[in-house]
Amino acid sequence: DIQMTQSPSSLSAFVGDRVTITCRASQYISRYLNWYQQKPGKAPKVLIYGASSLQSGVPSRFSGSGSGTDFTLTISGLQPEDFATYFCQQSYSTRPYTFGQGTKLEIK
Amino acid sequence: QVTLKESGPVLVRPTETLTLTCTVSGFSLNDARVGVTWIRQPRGKALEWLAHIISNDEKSYSTSLQDRLTISKDASKSQVVLTMTNMDPVDTATYFCARRLENDYGKNWFDPWGQGTLVTVSS
Repeated sequence: DIQMTQSPSSLSAFVGDRVTITCRASQYISRYLNWYQQKPGKAPKVLIYGASSLQSGVPSRFSGSGSGTDFTLTISGLQPEDFATYFCQQSYSTRPYTFGQGTKLEIK
Repeated sequence: QVTLKESGPVLVRPTETLTLTCTVSGFSLNDARVGVTWIRQPRGKALEWLAHIISNDEKSYSTSLQDRLTISKDASKSQVVLTMTNMDPVDTATYFCARRLENDYGKNWFDPWGQGTLVTVSS
């Protein structure tokens, strides 16, 4: 199975900050990397698919980059509603799909 | 509007079999390159992918749970059913179903997700 490792596991930031979350795959996954946001008690929702494609309706302050094994999710100008947990997921190997362990973004 | 909704028991006894149903609307289970996937999340923990089924009836399972899982679909009822045998307290989690989408470049992702259903395994 492809292992996905996110860093950091948690971080604190101020409204208006720019934050970056990293996701590393244990093997090559091209650009088959998705990012999800999950708020407490809610289902995850996709933000970025294919490493850098912004899902319709997602604010442009969210961006994704990377290819191969190393990927980043950047939020430029944090808003109060962005404080949540973020997960990366590889879709290169569908047998099985795997997720990162999550990054909890908290308000400072 | 595309929606998915999970249904099933709230409480399951150890060793019993769990049967969960995902009822979808706004799309067909026969749509090309569309599928439904199941994912679970123990409270406060990470997401764990379980299984998926796509329009051509191709199925895939978690490596660690494949011996316990079966996924099937009934397109006429717009339902996907997941069964998990020999339930254990460690299987206590919220279970989500989600639509699997694939674009022309082979990229695939899960959107949208159902609200999830909490399943507790306890005697």
